[in-house]
Amino acid sequence: GDSVTQMEGPVTLSEEAFLTINCTYTATGYPSLFWYVQYPGEGLQLLLKATKADDKGSNKGFEATYRKETTSFHLEKGSVQVSDSAVYFCALSDSWGKLQFGAGTQVVVTP
Amino acid sequence: GAVVSQHPSWVICKSGTSVKIECRSLDFQATTMFWYRQFPKQSLMLMATSNEGSKATYEQGVEKDKFLINHASLTLSTLTVTSAHPEDSSFYICSADRQGITEAFFGQGTRLTVV
Repeated sequence: GDSVTQMEGPVTLSEEAFLTINCTYTATGYPSLFWYVQYPGEGLQLLLKATKADDKGSNKGFEATYRKETTSFHLEKGSVQVSDSAVYFCALSDSWGKLQFGAGTQVVVTP
Repeated sequence: GAVVSQHPSWVICKSGTSVKIECRSLDFQATTMFWYRQFPKQSLMLMATSNEGSKATYEQGVEKDKFLINHASLTLSTLTVTSAHPEDSSFYICSADRQGITEAFFGQGTRLTVV
């Protein structure tokens, strides 16, 4: 079945550092790929998405490119802020709305 | 945007009682909603797919008699945890799909604590 693997956390960074969270997937079809963010005590918010190969999703300084050849969707941000501290989930959807999530990566940004 | 509201945001109940969680799509109709469960420091696991006007589809290992799902209208799905036990304590979160949009819209989640 479909699955998502993302790097384990926690990832601890200093403010203004570069962030990369690796995500790879396995799927039988052509899924849409997502990054969701969960702030402490809150639900999930969509951060960005890509629906087909070579698409780049971007939002709030975060970017991820749908790489079919490497089955990856790595999340990057050039300069993180303390407010970016959260748990980040990579996910895929092979059909409307039904999501397969990765384990989540906690990111801690220190001043 | 599309707003999904989940209620309550947190609840504490005694063992053996039942708890109902509501998931509403406020500004769109959702023929399909999804219920997830998240244990502390773990990922979200899909519990069931809720279809308006028909029975829910449960994922393997999820007890349908324990987690009752009712999707009575195009804007409301409910999850009832029956005869709750401490091991049912978890974060439950719903999502709804909107036709034509490749994105799931999530509720705020409900933190259930069974004592």
